[in-house]
Amino acid sequence: DAGVIQSPRHEVTEMGQEVTLRCKPISGHNSLFWYRQTMMRGLELLIYFNNNVPIDDSGMPEDRFSAKMPNASFSTLKIQPSEPRDSAVYFCASKLSGTGWAFFGQGTRLTVV
Amino acid sequence: SQQGEEDPQALSIQEGENATMNCSYKTSINNLQWYRQNSGRGLVHLILIRSNEREKHSGRLRVTLDTSKKSSSLLITASRAADTASYFCASDPQGGSEKLVFGKGTKLTVNP
Repeated sequence: DAGVIQSPRHEVTEMGQEVTLRCKPISGHNSLFWYRQTMMRGLELLIYFNNNVPIDDSGMPEDRFSAKMPNASFSTLKIQPSEPRDSAVYFCASKLSGTGWAFFGQGTRLTVV
Repeated sequence: SQQGEEDPQALSIQEGENATMNCSYKTSINNLQWYRQNSGRGLVHLILIRSNEREKHSGRLRVTLDTSKKSSSLLITASRAADTASYFCASDPQGGSEKLVFGKGTKLTVNP
């Protein structure tokens, strides 16, 4: 298995633009997580899905952020409009419900200028 | 809110020395997990200890868990320069949630 695949690896965009981050979880995993990592706040859970259904989105910072999981093999995190304070590394992770480990993608480094 | 706090925030040691990192969490857990993150990469799981376990070993790694104090420690023995990375603990809370909650991590530097 190729692991959790995220794209793009790097994204530089101008303030106000829409940004879409993509994630393909490991096949067979039914829980998917979006995290944001910054020096100041560490690793924050934004949202997680179980069986493609959003279970907890309490970590989503504001309405500019939205996430979807249209099927078991794909999820997106959208920021619209983007702001400089959204600059961070965004990680997607997946796991099989009832088991411990989460498997992380390599992350998307987002820079909003 | 995020739970889990590691200390120290940063640790610098010489190759061959042992490194100890601590983690505290706030709620009852199913298990506690330790992950490693190399610079610019994703997190990779290292070791998982269940709530009914007190100690676990994996190679040069030793993890302890004290559920009465809601704390865990990760010991890396005979450290190597290649162990340089950030280390995170994650608590898997009881109650059916799949939500792993990470601390801010300990940045370990092993000097050759």
